[in-house]
Amino acid sequence: GDSVTQTEGQVALSEEDFLTIHCNYSASGYPALFWYVQYPGEGPQFLFRASRDKEKGSSRGFEATYDKGTTSFHLRKASVQESDSAVYYCALGDRYNQGKLIFGQGTKLSIKP
Amino acid sequence: EAAVTQSPRSKVAVTGGKVTLSCHQTNNHDYMYWYRQDTGHGLRLIHYSYVADSTEKGDIPDGYKASRPSQENFSLILELASLSQTAVYFCASKNWSSQNTLYFGAGTRLSVL
Repeated sequence: GDSVTQTEGQVALSEEDFLTIHCNYSASGYPALFWYVQYPGEGPQFLFRASRDKEKGSSRGFEATYDKGTTSFHLRKASVQESDSAVYYCALGDRYNQGKLIFGQGTKLSIKP
Repeated sequence: EAAVTQSPRSKVAVTGGKVTLSCHQTNNHDYMYWYRQDTGHGLRLIHYSYVADSTEKGDIPDGYKASRPSQENFSLILELASLSQTAVYFCASKNWSSQNTLYFGAGTRLSVL
């Protein structure tokens, strides 16, 4: 079946560091790919999505490019801030847009001031 | 402001007891979902509904029932709670036309003892 793998369970950085969180997927066809962010005590929030090969999604300084060749959707940010500390989830959408997302395991990002 | 509200926010239940988790949304969305969050597993879909009085099974429905008495309300029912159902449960909603952009509640932390 379809699946999403996030390599890093935890990432610790200092402010202004460059961030990469790796996301790889396994699915047939061209599924939509998503990044959600979860702050402490809250539910996940939609960050952005991409729906086709080479499309770049972005929001709040974060970005990721849909790469069908490497089946990846890695999250990047050039300069992280302490307020970016959260858990980040990569997700794969169902082809009929029914909201039946398949989430990765999540990556906890901690930023030291 | 549109919102997804879950109650209770936390609950302790005894093994074999009945548990009902409630969700209310003011987004005027058609779809509603119950996801379960476990460390190392991300979020997994339990049940969902796209119209009142109808529910559908998600990826991990065993041991759970769902009820959608109105467009605004969606409940998750554990008839015989078990230790393995200790987790954080998230309700979410989505507009029928949205491309898998889900709006999540703050979650219910359930501990089964």
